[in-house]
Amino acid sequence: DTGVSQDPRHKITKRGQNVTFRCDPISEHNRLYWYRQTLGQGPEFLTYFQNEAQLEKSRLLSDRFSAERPKGSFSTLEIQRTEQGDSAMYLCASSLSGLTYEQYFGPGTRLTVT
Amino acid sequence: DQQVKQNSPSLSVQEGRISILNCDYTNSMFDYFLWYKKYPAEGPTFLISISSIKDKNEDGRFTVFLNKSAKHLSLHIVPSQPGDSAVYFCAASERGVLTGGGNKLTFGTGTQLKVEL
Repeated sequence: DTGVSQDPRHKITKRGQNVTFRCDPISEHNRLYWYRQTLGQGPEFLTYFQNEAQLEKSRLLSDRFSAERPKGSFSTLEIQRTEQGDSAMYLCASSLSGLTYEQYFGPGTRLTVT
Repeated sequence: DQQVKQNSPSLSVQEGRISILNCDYTNSMFDYFLWYKKYPAEGPTFLISISSIKDKNEDGRFTVFLNKSAKHLSLHIVPSQPGDSAVYFCAASERGVLTGGGNKLTFGTGTQLKVEL
């Protein structure tokens, strides 16, 4: 069994460009989460899905950010018109809904906006 | 508004001794707490957790203690090993309203642990 995978691992883009990241969760996990981590901080929650339904979005998720999980399996996170402040590590995690709280994280996508 | 606080950015311990990492929280709705370990260029790895109905949970060299009245938890690592050198994050979760399970995690800022030979 593979863990959570994310692609790409690194992305460098110019300000104003759009970027899209992909996350593949652990296969039997029905919940999928996106977090963002900047230097010196812990991961900050962005949004999560249960199956294909997006159940919560953080105030951090401006209208330039959109996430999808169309078939309840992999998820994509798109950032439109990137800004330098979007530079961060974007982490994806998955879990089983119900009584378990543990989330399992992928390696992250490092975004650098120049 | 930092709801989960790790006030020690770094901690240095000798190999074989005990490492104690501390975490404080302010949100009374948190009912589950987790510790994650993170190496550079990797995602956080789940280490150990504790429910608010317990005050201690042990797994091998790792023990987490929870003091609800003080809104404080700590992670003890005994004995510390060089491979334990990493950033440790404390995280907390509220019970989900819709399904009763955990939802988003709120993380502290992390403590860099260095275990020296």
